[in-house]
Amino acid sequence: DVKVTQSSRYLVKRTGEKVFLECVQDMDHENMFWYRQDPGLGLRLIYFSYDVKMKEKGDIPEGYSVSREKKERFSLILESASTNQTSMYLCASSFRVEWGHYGNQPQHFGDGTRLSIL
Amino acid sequence: KQEVTQIPAALSVPEGENLVLNCSFTDSAIYNLQWFRQDPGKGLTSLLLIQSSQREQTSGRLNASLDKSSGRSTLYIAASQPGDSATYLCAVSCTGANSKLTFGKGITLSVRP
Repeated sequence: DVKVTQSSRYLVKRTGEKVFLECVQDMDHENMFWYRQDPGLGLRLIYFSYDVKMKEKGDIPEGYSVSREKKERFSLILESASTNQTSMYLCASSFRVEWGHYGNQPQHFGDGTRLSIL
Repeated sequence: KQEVTQIPAALSVPEGENLVLNCSFTDSAIYNLQWFRQDPGKGLTSLLLIQSSQREQTSGRLNASLDKSSGRSTLYIAASQPGDSATYLCAVSCTGANSKLTFGKGITLSVRP
């Protein structure tokens, strides 16, 4: 079974702090994704990566950065946390079968990190 | 810009009913469509993936259909059980160099014993 592990289920941080959310997958997937999920807005893609050291912006990248130094690990960084970044953050991974078609394999999700910024 | 709509936002049914969850999308140029299940406070579990060339996929009591030309998909759940209570989301993957999933907001299903 595919396992996507997010380092924390719950996290409380203060405004202005630099926050790191970690995600590890054990299935040798090329693609990894970070989403945030908010009531009434659904899931929105923040960043994704289709290979080590490669990254692309999603729909809402402002205020975030990412790091993919190893294939199994994808980190989301909040450079200077703000209260509007309080949310549920979900990491996902998938195989890449054809170059450019990131969605042609099921995405496997972690259990999420509920982040509160005070 | 692709938009995915799921109506209604919530549904409550008695145990044993066969039910249909609807999903519509605005741009028919999709690569595939996926249905996910999300339990409260948890991540998403992939249920079914339908490639654009397929009409339907089945897994146990679940059957998903795809009508690409009309921009619609349905998830059919046979003989619903209380354990089916969850939020069901559909997501489409669009063709193109930067393909990614666009999600609907989900339908929260409650199956009453």
